[in-house]
Amino acid sequence: DAMVIQNPRYQVTQFGKPVTLSCSQTLNHNVMYWYQQKSSQAPKLLFHYYDKDFNNEADTPDNFQSRRPNTSFCFLDIRSPGLGDAAMYLCATSREAGTSQTQYFGPGTRLLVL
Amino acid sequence: RKEVEQDPGPFNVPEGATVAFNCTYSNSASQSFFWYRQDCRKEPKLLMSVYSSGNEDGRFTAQLNRASQYISLLIRDSKLSDSATYLCVVNGRSNYQLIWGAGTKLIIKP
Repeated sequence: DAMVIQNPRYQVTQFGKPVTLSCSQTLNHNVMYWYQQKSSQAPKLLFHYYDKDFNNEADTPDNFQSRRPNTSFCFLDIRSPGLGDAAMYLCATSREAGTSQTQYFGPGTRLLVL
Repeated sequence: RKEVEQDPGPFNVPEGATVAFNCTYSNSASQSFFWYRQDCRKEPKLLMSVYSSGNEDGRFTAQLNRASQYISLLIRDSKLSDSATYLCVVNGRSNYQLIWGAGTKLIIKP
């Protein structure tokens, strides 16, 4: 029944230790997004894929990378997590690109950096 | 000025009351507007899109005021289950970018 799945739901990592968050979808949507959301703040778009085309937001640090090996899966890699990267990471999908599209979110992965 | 601004609240409202909150946006060319609901430590979920003519879905009414560049959300006969953060979302300057507000926290009290 789940449509956008994120694993793990909680991730603890050490300062500077690479970490990968995963997202999968059963909706067969073309677009997948990664957002970062800190407490009481708006979700901040990091990047998105339209099919295999990667689109990085201008202010997304190089420390954040993404991979989309196929339609269903998308990964967020944080190469050297800092304390400031502790946040909720939300994956979302939409059928097509375009701002009129509804975005469907996964439950998020809460990242803690020690 | 932020591109999308919301009163963070919290709005503390008794059950059964009507509550309304606004969201202002800076891009006069924006065409797409949404309200999302986010429960504590959960993901955002679409509550409703906002159309130029205004729209209603049960107890929820959304309106757009282009002249003053704000959208509003009205909740009638509020329920305890309406307690959540309500996020305003407006399209940005590119054809894929959505700008999210930080949300208005609503607490419905028995």
